[in-house]
Amino acid sequence: EDQVTQSPEALRLQEGESSSLNCSYTVSGLRGLFWYRQDPGKGPEFLFTLYSAGEEKEKERLKATLTKKESFLHITAPKPEDSATYLCAVRCYSGAGSYQLTFGKGTKLSVIP
Amino acid sequence: DGGITQSPKYLFRKEGQNVTLSCEQNLNHDAMYWYRQDPGQGLRLIYYSQIVNDFQKGDIAEGYSVSREKKESFPLTVTSAQKNPTAFYLCASRRTGAVYSNQPQHFGDGTRLSIL
Repeated sequence: EDQVTQSPEALRLQEGESSSLNCSYTVSGLRGLFWYRQDPGKGPEFLFTLYSAGEEKEKERLKATLTKKESFLHITAPKPEDSATYLCAVRCYSGAGSYQLTFGKGTKLSVIP
Repeated sequence: DGGITQSPKYLFRKEGQNVTLSCEQNLNHDAMYWYRQDPGQGLRLIYYSQIVNDFQKGDIAEGYSVSREKKESFPLTVTSAQKNPTAFYLCASRRTGAVYSNQPQHFGDGTRLSIL
């Protein structure tokens, strides 16, 4: 069974304190790993797509990296507005010519001023 | 601006009642999806549709039904057979086709369904 595990479940940082969120996966036939940001009461907002080991993507204070078994979302000098739940999802072949996303449970990030 | 609109934002269901959640997109996306989100759990796929007049069951389809009569619309009905419907429901869409095989899913802002 395809699995996606995110850690930690919750992370509390002081403003400016850099850290990383982890997403480990055990899937067959990976066709992309996706990072989303979700604010309370809102839908997930797309951040990054990664496809192959060694790939990196950056956006402002966020940097996503990918290995064969896990992905990291590095947050550099976070600000309070970075507080949100970060979701990781992997896209795998689900049969009958279709691919589906399997989501992790998310990491809730709180950045304290 | 293009996007995905879900309505209503909040919905209450009485015992034995069917309710329908609306999802409309103006992104010209072929594929649409319905997910359920519960506290402490990842998003779980209920139904998806890759083209008009066709849809497939996801991992937790029991107690739900959908239709796809128009490209822009993918309503979800939560039937009385769904015994634990309280959750946050999210609709998503994605561009499909060989050129767009790596496109992400984009989400609406959800409908929160509660039992009265």
